[in-house]
Amino acid sequence: LAKTTQPISMDSYEGQEVNITCSHNNIATNDYITWYQQFPSQGPRFIIQGYKTKVTNEVASLFIPADRKSSTLSLPRVSLSDTAVYYCLVGDIPRGGGNKLTFGTGTQLKVEL
Amino acid sequence: DVKVTQSSRYLVKRTGEKVFLECVQDMDHENMFWYRQDPGLGLRLIYFSYDVKMKEKGDIPEGYSVSREKKERFSLILESASTNQTSMYLCASSLGRQGDGYTFGSGTRLTVV
Repeated sequence: LAKTTQPISMDSYEGQEVNITCSHNNIATNDYITWYQQFPSQGPRFIIQGYKTKVTNEVASLFIPADRKSSTLSLPRVSLSDTAVYYCLVGDIPRGGGNKLTFGTGTQLKVEL
Repeated sequence: DVKVTQSSRYLVKRTGEKVFLECVQDMDHENMFWYRQDPGLGLRLIYFSYDVKMKEKGDIPEGYSVSREKKERFSLILESASTNQTSMYLCASSLGRQGDGYTFGSGTRLTVV
């Protein structure tokens, strides 16, 4: 089971770049790394997914080193609306049982003016 | 956009009652999931289903059962509600099983008194 470890909380200011790192030392060869964002009273929302190196979309970048034992979600120029909990997921849910996909406790990002 | 709809936003039930939480998705996704979310514990998988009439246990299935009679509908059942089942319940659906593209509902906050 690829347990993930993230900082409990981070603080930033508007306009800054925020990097949230997730450790997943037991990542398996077939595992992807996925990040979700959750606002209060809402379900998590998919942000980005990657397997190795770098992935970029319109909202974030995901950096994965060669050993894949960690990953970093990068949010460019954050705003107040980026205040949320960010979850790192690693693994999958195979048929036949045995959950290998866990959300963990997430990182509470607080963005201030 | 895929929409996942949970039947109730808030629910208050008495100890010992049988409780049904309903979830419907409108995008023909094969996979559906039930999570519960508690402060400090993150999201924990209760049950999931990858096909009609198929179900698999997640990390914390005790005290719960599920039903998937139609592809679009996944029900979570608390056979005899207890106070330790007071929680936020989140339903999700996805095409893949690698953690990508989960679409979550808005959640049901269940209070058992």
